[in-house]
Amino acid sequence: EDQVTQSPEALRLQEGESSSLNCSYTVSGLRGLFWYRQDPGKGPEFLFTLYSAGEEKEKERLKATLTKKESFLHITAPKPEDSATYLCAVRPVGGSEKLVFGKGTKLTVNP
Amino acid sequence: GAGVSQSPRYKVTKRGQDVTLRCDPISSHATLYWYQQALGQGPEFLTYFNYEAQPDKSGLPSDRFSAERPEGSISTLTIQRTEQRDSAMYRCASSLDRGTDTQYFGPGTRLTVL
Repeated sequence: EDQVTQSPEALRLQEGESSSLNCSYTVSGLRGLFWYRQDPGKGPEFLFTLYSAGEEKEKERLKATLTKKESFLHITAPKPEDSATYLCAVRPVGGSEKLVFGKGTKLTVNP
Repeated sequence: GAGVSQSPRYKVTKRGQDVTLRCDPISSHATLYWYQQALGQGPEFLTYFNYEAQPDKSGLPSDRFSAERPEGSISTLTIQRTEQRDSAMYRCASSLDRGTDTQYFGPGTRLTVL
């Protein structure tokens, strides 16, 4: 069964304190791994797609990396506006277009 | 449209009633997805459409749930004989086509079954 596990469930950082969020996955085959940001009361907002081990993508203070078993979302010098829930999802091989999501990591950045 | 829109944003209904939720995808997006999201959880796949075809409805929890996209644009999700356990956020997403990976999500419909 395809599974995505995110850790930690919640993370509190001080402004400027860098850290990483983890997404470990079990799939029969990976067509893509996705990171989304979700603010309270809103739909998930797309951040990155990664396709193969060793791939990295960056956007402002965020950098996503991928290995064969997990992905990390590195947050460098975060600001309060980075506070949100970060969701990881995988698209398994198999013909369907569905995404399998983890439960998310709720990030709070204090000023 | 500029983004995915959903209506209503909030729906309160009584147990046993039928409800219909609507999704209007981004213009020209061929593929449309429905997810269910419980509080504190990630979205869970229900079904998807490629134009008007529905290749995968494996995530629909029971035969009380059905979805349509008759003209390949707007879609509806209908829940018949609602139960309290159906209370959740229902999210719609769309992507340009099946081969394009990025799914863009709408704001969701919060369904409460009393």
